Formats: sequence, structure tokens, C-alpha cells
Amino acid sequence: DTEVTQTPKHLVMGMTNKKSLKCEQHMGHRAMYWYKQKAKKPPELMFVYSYEKLSINESVPSRFSPECPNSSLLNLHLHALQPEDSALYLCASSQEGLAGGYNEQFFGPGTRLTVL
Amino acid sequence: GQNIDQPTEMTATEGAIVQINCTYQTSGFNGLFWYQQHAGEAPTFLSYNVLDGLEEKGRFSSFLSRSKGYSYLLLKELQMKDSASYLCAPRSWGKLQFGAGTQVVVTP
Repeated sequence: DTEVTQTPKHLVMGMTNKKSLKCEQHMGHRAMYWYKQKAKKPPELMFVYSYEKLSINESVPSRFSPECPNSSLLNLHLHALQPEDSALYLCASSQEGLAGGYNEQFFGPGTRLTVL
Repeated sequence: GQNIDQPTEMTATEGAIVQINCTYQTSGFNGLFWYQQHAGEAPTFLSYNVLDGLEEKGRFSSFLSRSKGYSYLLLKELQMKDSASYLCAPRSWGKLQFGAGTQVVVTP
């Protein structure tokens, strides 16, 4: 299995809602990532988990809350989002954490989020 | 800070060759990745360079010069399905820093 899966594919939420994005991989990777991508822009790193511990938070607002329940799963909890948070949210995983080496990141298909 | 430059768009005909240049200024450099991204889809890995020189993978090749902060991706025998955005991503302190992407348009 060389796939990263994400659910849901699309999500529409109001500014007062609480929702969660889910990501799963079964490649035995020990690092997992959340990226945000706006239209016609490159992906921007949000969080990195390495061996199930949060190792990087790129100064992301607290209305985004990541969680890594185990080495295969990564969640992103959303609360009180703003319309400007509408974007494609990509999950990725890699074999190792931030060490050197080949360490290719495999991306999931993303969740298209719209905040009304 | 990080600075990654690549052309915004390139157009080429089917069967031709296109070279996408990328220059970067980054600290803690440890390798450079190229990703392909079709509209509305996730990026997919194309190539990785950590040492100077050329890496060849089928129709795609990538070159790196660390001293010049320069890389290129060479796409040969272009096919219509190669129409996509190509992202240059140097790794800085272990984190991928993505360039804005080069939109390649392949015409018949």
C-alpha cells in the first residue's frame, strides 16, 4: 500500500462549526505533515509530526489543532475558522522525520475546504 | 529567509523538450525535490538531487549545482498528459520549501 488517504474530499463549514480532517497511511512512515494550498499557490507547511510527536508548528493559528493518535493516523481539528481559511488541505508522509536522506514525501489527494 | 525562483509558465509542443530552471537561496540546504501537480490534484514526486550533477529517470531528468543554487528539470518527448504545474522544492533544515510552480502547457 503506497497511498495516503484523506477524508473527506470536500468540506463546507460555517465559522462557528467544529470539524475534523483525517489522514491515514499504511506505509510505515514515521513522519506526517499538514500543508495548506491556496489556488495557484504552492503548498505551505503547517505542521510536522515525527514519531507521533509534534516537531514543527509553522506559527499556525490555534483554530487549527493537529493530532496524531498513532503512527498511521493524522487529524486536523478545525474550530472557528475564517473564510480566508478556505483552501486545499494536503496531508503527506515520509519514511523518516526531518533528517537528511532521500525521504520523499507522499501526498494525499487533499480535502477541499470552504468556510462560509 | 527562503527565495525560490522559477518561471511562471512555459509552452511547448508534443514531442518537444522543455527545461524548467529553478534558482534558490536557502539555509540548511539538504537536497532538492521536483514535484508535478495536475490541477486539483496532489503533488507527485518526480526527482531528488542532493549531490551536484544530473539524475535521469526515464523522460525526466534533473540537475543540481549546489554552489550556484541552481537546478533544472528536463522533460523530454513531451506528452499531453505532461501539462501540469512543476514545483521546485529545496529542503531547508529538513523542511520542503516549495517554489510557486511552473505551469507547463503542452500543445498538439
